[in-house]
Amino acid sequence: GAVVSQHPSRVICKSGTSVKIECRSLDFQATTMFWYRQFPKQSLMLMATSNEGSKATYEQGVEKDKFLINHASLTLSTLTVTSAHPEDSSFYICSATGIYGYTFGSGTRLTVV
Amino acid sequence: ELKVEQNPLFLSMQEGKNYTIYCNYSTTSDRLYWYRQDPGKSLESLFVLLSNGAVKQEGRLMASLDTKARLSTLHITAAVHDLSATYFCAVDRRYSGGGADGLTFGKGTHLIIQP
Repeated sequence: GAVVSQHPSRVICKSGTSVKIECRSLDFQATTMFWYRQFPKQSLMLMATSNEGSKATYEQGVEKDKFLINHASLTLSTLTVTSAHPEDSSFYICSATGIYGYTFGSGTRLTVV
Repeated sequence: ELKVEQNPLFLSMQEGKNYTIYCNYSTTSDRLYWYRQDPGKSLESLFVLLSNGAVKQEGRLMASLDTKARLSTLHITAAVHDLSATYFCAVDRRYSGGGADGLTFGKGTHLIIQP
């Protein structure tokens, strides 16, 4: 079946620094990748959609300059949280679509101190 | 704008009992998903419902979709403790006429099954 690998699983960073999260489709080519954010005890909210080789499409209210998305190949998308602040602390989950439908990564717990 | 409402949001039940979680959505869609999430973990796919009248069952869980009523249900039969988790429904925006991609999730149902 389809597998999506997400790294790191946990990261703690200082306020003002940047953090990069990787999302890889291991055994299929992902035409589209998605990034979701989940605050504690809340639902998943779609942040942005990315297609290989093109600019990401951000959902309303998501800051493009803060959450940089790069989808350099059909198997890799990265999310960079720039100048992170404590309010950016959250669970970030990527998802990829291919012939198997939506497959989710294992998530990244970001804590900004 | 597509809205997905799930209820109840919290459910505490005893082992052996039956219960149903409801998922209503605001625009037409022919594709709906159910996921399970354990604390601190990502999503585990349970069901993909692809058309009106679709019914799928796996063990003690059964999901159905009524696209005319814009309603999906997740039924739990003879609940066991291991089913304690948070359950999400999600509607595929690609099939809801909006043209956008990705999933819109309900708020989730936090299910606790007590021995």
